[in-house]
This record gives sequence, structure tokens and C-alpha cells, in this order.
Amino acid sequence: NAGVTQTPKFRILKIGQSMTLQCTQDMNHNYMYWYRQDPGMGLKLIYYSVGAGITDKGEVPNGYNVSRSTTEDFPLRLELAAPSQTSVYFCASSWPGNQPQHFGDGTRLSIL
Amino acid sequence: GIQVEQSPPDLILQEGANSTLRCNFSDSVNNLQWFHQNPWGQLINLFYIPSGTKQNGRLSATTVATERYSLLYISSSQTTDSGVYFCAVDDYKLSFGAGTTVTVRA
Repeated sequence: NAGVTQTPKFRILKIGQSMTLQCTQDMNHNYMYWYRQDPGMGLKLIYYSVGAGITDKGEVPNGYNVSRSTTEDFPLRLELAAPSQTSVYFCASSWPGNQPQHFGDGTRLSIL
Repeated sequence: GIQVEQSPPDLILQEGANSTLRCNFSDSVNNLQWFHQNPWGQLINLFYIPSGTKQNGRLSATTVATERYSLLYISSSQTTDSGVYFCAVDDYKLSFGAGTTVTVRA
């Protein structure tokens, strides 16, 4: 049982480049989330989705886009990478309501 | 949004010692989770505990929702307990505290 899988694990981008961080889960969870973690800090919610075709903004959505075409996949898109987006990105999933969230191993992204 | 404060920010323990980590939150919550982030950066679910007490091996947690705090107890600490412990609250949109960095020395 793979759980939540994120790819890539590491990436270096140049300012202005774009990329997509992939997230897939095999637990049939309806809810999925993207968080970012800056050095020495807790995680902050970027976007979340309560089901296929439904997405909403979290605390820090600027500079990111998401889509949810299937239950399993929740990609995060950076259109114009900026140094402020250097961070570790975590994807998570859960059952509906107040249920435990399960996290992927993270994607470490550096923008130079 | 809900404010989450964790204390202490840093904790250094000798192997075998016991410790208590605290999480205070500013409003009533429907969800509270404790996570351990290991030195490799992985986030591990420890407890889902919006109220009451739970135990898992050497770890236990208590949440007193009416007084807006939760405690994580580590007993007989081991070097593998090192890492950052996060408390996260709210409904399905979790708000994380800044964490407690625990270092267990052999």
C-alpha cells in the first residue's frame, strides 16, 4: 500500500520557469491538500480539494494553481517560479470530515 | 484563523528521560493531530486526538478541548525520538504550530 506518493523528491528551478508537482494517493480519499513548509516553520495550507472537480484556496495560494480531475491525483502547478517559493511541499489526503491526514514524503524545491 | 502555540520550542533530552510537549490553541477545534517529522523530513502521524487520552507505546497524548490545550508525553526517550513534533488543529484545513525540536542524546 503506497499511501500518498509525491514526485519529484527534489528539484531546482530557475526564476520564471514553470513546473508541476505530482501527488497521487491510493486510499480512495476524497480530501486532498497541498502544504508548504519553510525552514524552521510549521506547514501552511496552499490549496485543498474535497473531491474530483472541486478545489479551494488555503492560507497561501498566490503563485500556485491546482486541478483535481480524478480522486487519486492532485497536481500543484507553479507558473512563474519565484525565489519566495523555495520550500518543501507536502501533499496529504484524508477521508471527509475531521479525519486524520496522511502525508507524502515531500518535494524539496529550490528556485535560484 | 486559529492560532497554535507549541512549547517549548527546543528540548534536549538524555536517553531514557521523560518529557511533556504542550500545544495551546486559540479557539474550539474539531480536529487535532500530533505529528513527528523525522530528520529525513518525513511527517509521521502520531495521534488523532480532538479530545481525551490515547497511548501508543512510549507515547501518549491528552487533549482538554474545553481548556484549549493538548499534551504529548514521551517516556523513556530514545535517540530515534529526535526530530520536530508538530501539533495541528482546526477542521479539515489544518493549522500547524511552529513545532518543538527534540534532540535525544545517547
